[in-house]
Amino acid sequence: AQSVTQPDIHITVSEGASLELRCNYSYGATPYLFWYVQSPGQGLQLLLKYFSGDTLVQGIKGFEAEFKRSQSSFNLRKPSVHWSDAAEYFCAVGLYNQGGKLIFGQGTELSVKP
Amino acid sequence: DSGVTQTPKHLITATGQRVTLRCSPRSGDLSVYWYQQSLDQGLQFLIHYYNGEERAKGNILERFSAQQFPDLHSELNLSSLELGDSALYFCASSAALRTGGRTEAFFGQGTRLTVV
Repeated sequence: AQSVTQPDIHITVSEGASLELRCNYSYGATPYLFWYVQSPGQGLQLLLKYFSGDTLVQGIKGFEAEFKRSQSSFNLRKPSVHWSDAAEYFCAVGLYNQGGKLIFGQGTELSVKP
Repeated sequence: DSGVTQTPKHLITATGQRVTLRCSPRSGDLSVYWYQQSLDQGLQFLIHYYNGEERAKGNILERFSAQQFPDLHSELNLSSLELGDSALYFCASSAALRTGGRTEAFFGQGTRLTVV
C-alpha cells in the first residue's frame, strides 16, 4: 500500500536558521507530491507541488523542495526561517488516475525560537 | 482564501446524535473530497465525489455518509456519534479528475467536531 513518512514529529529551529523537513514515500511509480502547511485553527495551504520535470521546485513563502527518485524523498527546505513559519507541515502524495485523493504523512510540527 | 467554504466551523454534540457538515467547493471544481484529521490517525481520506457521483471511498465508517448535490455542494453526515469521532473534518475541491491527478487540492478551514 502507498504510504508517506515524515520521520520528524517535532522540530525546533532558531529564527534565521535553515530548515529541512523530511518526507519519504512508498509507491511503485512516481507519484505527484505536495507540501501543505497548517497554521493553528486554519485549513491546509499549499506550499508547493511536483508533477514532473525539474526536480527542484519553488513554492510560496520562500520554500523549496527537491524530488529525489532514488531516495523516494521530497524534502522541504527554507534557507532562513521566520517566526511566522511556526506551523504544522504535511507532505502528501497523489497518484496518477486515482481521482486526486491524497495520502498524507503524519505531519511535522515546526517551532521557531527567537 | 482557498475558495472552499465549510460550515459550521465548530460543532459540539452529544454521543448518539447525528450531524451534517456542509462544503461548497471552489467555483468550477467538480470534485469534492472529505478528510478527517484526528490526533491518533492523522489526516485520512474519507470519500470523493465527482459531479454528484461517488468516485472513491477511503476509511469511512458505515455510520458516515456523504452526498453531492446538483449545485456541487456536498454534505457529510455523521450518525450515532461516538467520542472517538471528535476530530477536524476537512473538505477539499480540485480539478484533478480532469487532469489525471496533476492538480492540487484546495482545502476549506475545516469543521471541528466535539462529541461529549
